[in-house]
Amino acid sequence: SQQGEEDPQALSIQEGENATMNCSYKTSINNLQWYRQNSGRGLVHLILIRSNEREKHSGRLRVTLDTSKKSSSLLITASRAADTASYFCATDAGTGNQFYFGTGTSLTVIP
Amino acid sequence: DAGVTQSPTHLIKTRGQQVTLRCSPKSGHDTVSWYQQALGQGPQFIFQYYEEEERQRGNFPDRFSGHQFPNYSSELNVNALLLGDSALYLCASSFAGRGHKKLFFGSGTQLSVL
Repeated sequence: SQQGEEDPQALSIQEGENATMNCSYKTSINNLQWYRQNSGRGLVHLILIRSNEREKHSGRLRVTLDTSKKSSSLLITASRAADTASYFCATDAGTGNQFYFGTGTSLTVIP
Repeated sequence: DAGVTQSPTHLIKTRGQQVTLRCSPKSGHDTVSWYQQALGQGPQFIFQYYEEEERQRGNFPDRFSGHQFPNYSSELNVNALLLGDSALYLCASSFAGRGHKKLFFGSGTQLSVL
């Protein structure tokens, strides 16, 4: 089974609102990453947070990591229509080589 | 600077046939990983190649095999195709150096098995 699981499965918001999606995982990790995928094409790396970090920011993105709860959240502030995509978390399960992806959150931002 | 390139973009095969997918990594990258993504699912790890050898393998049968060439490009071969092999196949490259864990993905090859 996949290491990471995102929720919600689907999220629909108005442009300008904030979007929050969550990821839970099962085993210890070295780092956790978030990726975006548009229309079933290639994934684009958004942000990486290491296991010894609790929060990280990149532009309109804010990621938190709680290793005690084995969970992470991705917050997109002031959403735009161009943010419409599927978002995946990926964990390395401690191996550093094999990355496990969740089933993703499908985000729709309505103009 | 070219990113990760995959070919072909689309492919239609029939059950029992064999297929070869190709990937050129991002310039400066030495590691190639292959993922299978079924419709509505997240990518699943098939295997990873580094220094022309398979370094790690996911839970996929031996029908899935690969190769990495001296220029770091890679091929994914699937034999005896099944209907369930229909999926988007993604190649991701990275640099094996310490701390470099970010994956760069190609646009994928959409394989349809009829």
